[in-house]
This record gives sequence, C-alpha cells and structure tokens, in this order.
Amino acid sequence: GAVVSQHPSWVICKSGTSVKIECRSLDFQATTMFWYRQFPKQSLMLMATSNEGSKATYEQGVEKDKFLINHASLTLSTLTVTSAHPEDSSFYICSAVGSPLSQPQHFGDGTRLSIL
Amino acid sequence: GENVEQHPSTLSVQEGDSAVIKCTYSDSASNYFPWYKQELGKRPQLIIDIRSNVGEKKDQRIAVTLNKTAKHFSLHITETQPEDSAVYFCAANGVDTDKLIFGTGTRLQVFP
Repeated sequence: GAVVSQHPSWVICKSGTSVKIECRSLDFQATTMFWYRQFPKQSLMLMATSNEGSKATYEQGVEKDKFLINHASLTLSTLTVTSAHPEDSSFYICSAVGSPLSQPQHFGDGTRLSIL
Repeated sequence: GENVEQHPSTLSVQEGDSAVIKCTYSDSASNYFPWYKQELGKRPQLIIDIRSNVGEKKDQRIAVTLNKTAKHFSLHITETQPEDSAVYFCAANGVDTDKLIFGTGTRLQVFP
C-alpha cells in the first residue's frame, strides 16, 4: 500500500517552455503533498507543501510564480515549472501523507527535468 | 530556520563491517526522525524511523538511536553488504507540520 505515482519520469524541453509534473496517490487519500528539488549529489530541498483545496505554502527562496502548485483533489497534486530555463534543470520529487501530522511520507519516483 | 546536520558525507567500509551515520537537529520540538536510502536516480526509500518517545529502534541489521537531550540521532548498519551501498539521508520533522528537513546525505560504499 501507500503508492505514489509521479509523471512524467523524464522531460527534455527547450528554454521558455512550461512543464507540468503530476503526483498521484494511488491507494490512499493524501491530505498533504510535498514537492522537493534535488540537484546532483545534493540533498532533497523542500520547495512547497500542498494541501488539498488550499494554496500551497512555499519555502523561503522558492518563487511562487515560477513553480505553480495545484492540489485539486485528495489524490492529485501538480507542479508546473513556468518558462523553464536551464538552471531549473533538476530532479523533482513529490511525496504524500495520508492524514495531517502523520508520517511517514511516501515518495514518488521523481521527474528528471532537463532544459536545453 | 530549522537545520539538520549529517556526518560523514562519505563512508567506505569492508563487507561485514558496521557503518554508523550521525545527525544533529536544531529544533527541540521535532519528534519524528526517519532515515532514507536513495540509489542513483531513484526515489528515497524509508528504511527505518523513530519517534521521540523511544530511544532506540531496531529492524534486523539496521538500528536507530535517539538522544533528545543532545538532539542527536544515529543510524547503525551491521554486517554491511555491497547492496547497502547508496546515499543515506536523515531527516527531522518541522514543528506541528508534516514537512521534513533533510540532512546533507552520506554516500556509503561497501567493498566486497
């Protein structure tokens, strides 16, 4: 149980393109989803916390208008990287928890984004 | 802000030896401490976690200890095997939230 699916797994696109990444909880309802970014050989950096039906909470230094997060249902959250540039190239990973203040977090497989 | 420090950054051991990774957290209100194993290009996988109401937890070859007074927690892997080679991350939760703050990671290499 507690499976999180993330799509796509790999994206290569031109600079200026907007890219949408989906995160789905397949067998549980996720009240909260998290979006992380991981650069090569570095740790997971939390970008934002997404709660169903409300605006996402962004970590300090993360541009809200650059990284649009939508959590429209209890099983789906999306991250849209708008007008992507080469410096946005990274590994983006989502995770989810089934109820507030519950752990552990269940991670998706991640999306490798490469901007040319 | 909340911070989690992790040491060492790299660790090389011979197969069969033990490996220990240590983390320190800054927020005394943190009460959940997971450890994740991440292989190259893959998702982090939870290997063990501990909550603040216990001082030690063990699962076969893996154990975690927690010292709340010192705000330290450690991962112990015994009888290491080559397949234990990966990057290991510790984490601590934020106060009254589900969010996790991750350590900087430890690259463990187990040589046959």
